[in-house]
Amino acid sequence: GENVEQHPSTLSVQEGDSAVIKCTYSDSASNYFPWYKQELGKRPQLIIDIRSNVGEKKDQRIAVTLNKTAKHFSLHITETQPEDSAVYFCAARGAGGFKTIFGAGTRLFVKA
Amino acid sequence: SAVISQKPSRDICQRGTSLTIQCQVDSQVTMMFWYRQQPGQSLTLIATANQGSEATYESGFVIDKFPISRPNLTFSTLTVSNMSPEDSSIYLCSVFAMNTEAFFGQGTRLTVV
Repeated sequence: GENVEQHPSTLSVQEGDSAVIKCTYSDSASNYFPWYKQELGKRPQLIIDIRSNVGEKKDQRIAVTLNKTAKHFSLHITETQPEDSAVYFCAARGAGGFKTIFGAGTRLFVKA
Repeated sequence: SAVISQKPSRDICQRGTSLTIQCQVDSQVTMMFWYRQQPGQSLTLIATANQGSEATYESGFVIDKFPISRPNLTFSTLTVSNMSPEDSSIYLCSVFAMNTEAFFGQGTRLTVV
């Protein structure tokens, strides 16, 4: 089955710096890669996603890149703000089963 | 976007008892899933709730412990049976329709004492 690995587990950056979180997946048939932000005590919320026919997608300060050959995808947050502090999860969804498998999560701290 | 109502939002239960969690969606959805999130951990898929048939369980999860129902395209239940303290966790339902993101219910925080 699908396995998603995520690094780093914890990331601390200064306000205004960039943050990068990296994930790898095992199932080459996976075709949808969402990223979720989870604040303390709240449900995961989608922040950006990318499909396998696209190499990069950007939404304001957030961007995601996908390398299908290497089975890598990454989240980039620029000009970080204290409110970006949260746990971020990458995930991968397979083509046939539709189930979404999550990475272990990255706890991001943005220091003011 | 789908609006998901999950209840109860939290409960404290005695060991050996069972708790049924409900997930109601405001529109018909293709897929419904149940996840467990232990404190400080990631989301682990328990099972896919199939409409009109038995759920599909992931490795490590069995029907006797986590029976699931999905009588229609907008509703599902997860029961945590014969609970022990190790079952203390947050349980979340998740839904999506074709070509959409997955939405999550607000979660059920279960404490077993």
